[in-house]
Amino acid sequence: DQQVKQNSPSLSVQEGRISILNCDYTNSMFDYFLWYKKYPAEGPTFLISISSIKDKNEDGRFTVFLNKSAKHLSLHIVPSQPGDSAVYFCAASRAGTASKLTFGTGTRLQVML
Amino acid sequence: EAGVTQSPTHLIKTRGQQVTLRCSPISGHTSVYWYQQALGLGLQFLLWYDEGEERNRGNFPPRFSGRQFPNYSSELNVNALELEDSALYLCASSLGGTDTQYFGPGTRLTVL
Repeated sequence: DQQVKQNSPSLSVQEGRISILNCDYTNSMFDYFLWYKKYPAEGPTFLISISSIKDKNEDGRFTVFLNKSAKHLSLHIVPSQPGDSAVYFCAASRAGTASKLTFGTGTRLQVML
Repeated sequence: EAGVTQSPTHLIKTRGQQVTLRCSPISGHTSVYWYQQALGLGLQFLLWYDEGEERNRGNFPPRFSGRQFPNYSSELNVNALELEDSALYLCASSLGGTDTQYFGPGTRLTVL
């Protein structure tokens, strides 16, 4: 039972354009969401998070949007850079229990020159 | 500041053997988490240790076990290895059970 889904296994974007990575979840108890970036042979790197009391959180080029009614979140990267090419995982947890993160299967982003 | 470290980087074992993976958290972090990433799958939560105690466990058989030491480092033990245990094992740490988790580079385990 995949509670966190990333339906696009891969995405290609031109340098300078916007990258939009999507994530859907099924468990309505989730209220804390995170995005991680992973390069080959490295562990995931924390990017940005959002609590369910917000619908948007911004950090530099990265913005995460949360639509609770649709159980959907997205990560926007503007402008996209070649160094952003990596696998992006979204993760979710329940209130106050970030101890157990449930991850999606990842989306491979390739930013082309 | 040093990040989460894991050893070894790679490991090859045969079916039925036992393996121990090691993790050192970021200095000051008391919580350590273990995840398994099998080929083509997302990260699956294995275990959470905090202050030396096992706090939560994922949906894995008992042959997956571990411990956390007084210095907050941790070991993951897998007994009676099976082919499907081949995966990347990732360790993460956080300041506490409710904080953002920071990951190590992982240990790639291959079971032949």
